[in-house]
Amino acid sequence: DIQMTQTPSSMPASLGERVTISCRASQGISNYLNWYQQKPDGTIKPLIYYTSNLQSGVPSRFSGSGSGTDYSLTISSLEPEDFAMYYCQQYDSSPTFGGGTKLELK
Amino acid sequence: EVQLVESGGGLVKPGASLKLSCVASGFTFSDYWMSWVRQTPGKTMEWIGDIKYDGSYTNYAPSLKNRFTISRDNAKSTLYLQMSNVRSEDTATYYCTRALWVPLYYFDYWGQGVMVTVSS
Repeated sequence: DIQMTQTPSSMPASLGERVTISCRASQGISNYLNWYQQKPDGTIKPLIYYTSNLQSGVPSRFSGSGSGTDYSLTISSLEPEDFAMYYCQQYDSSPTFGGGTKLELK
Repeated sequence: EVQLVESGGGLVKPGASLKLSCVASGFTFSDYWMSWVRQTPGKTMEWIGDIKYDGSYTNYAPSLKNRFTISRDNAKSTLYLQMSNVRSEDTATYYCTRALWVPLYYFDYWGQGVMVTVSS
């Protein structure tokens, strides 16, 4: 299985701040990388698929980039509703997830 | 509106069996692959497996293949996860997801999750 290392595991940040979450694969994954957001109540929704494609309805302050083994999720200006957990997920022969990043209010 | 509603969780003893259900609505269930994903108390996410839209093919995470079985009833728009010989490490919240294959494997809708606790 491909291992996904997500950093940081937690990140204190302020409203309006620009933040970036990283995800590194143990081998190249050809941009087969998705991002999800989990709210404190457990609700999970997709944000970005295939590295950089925004899911319908997701605000444009979210963006994704990367290639090869290194990928990132950027939020350009934090809003109150963005404080949540974030997960990356790759698809090779079997999907695996990163360990998650908890975005917390500083 | 797409909705996925899981049920069947609870407290179960080690070695026992448990069957989770997920009722889907708001889309044509029989047109989509479906999947189960679980999240441990430590927040680790793990894909369990999936099933083809017509139920003719299933795929599992290698570590779970021998104990978990995914099935579906398209007439009832319901997805199932049969868990057998459960262990303490199966304690988790189990999510039903709709799975897309284009342009890549991607979970575009998730249920609210159902908790399973394995303890004597």
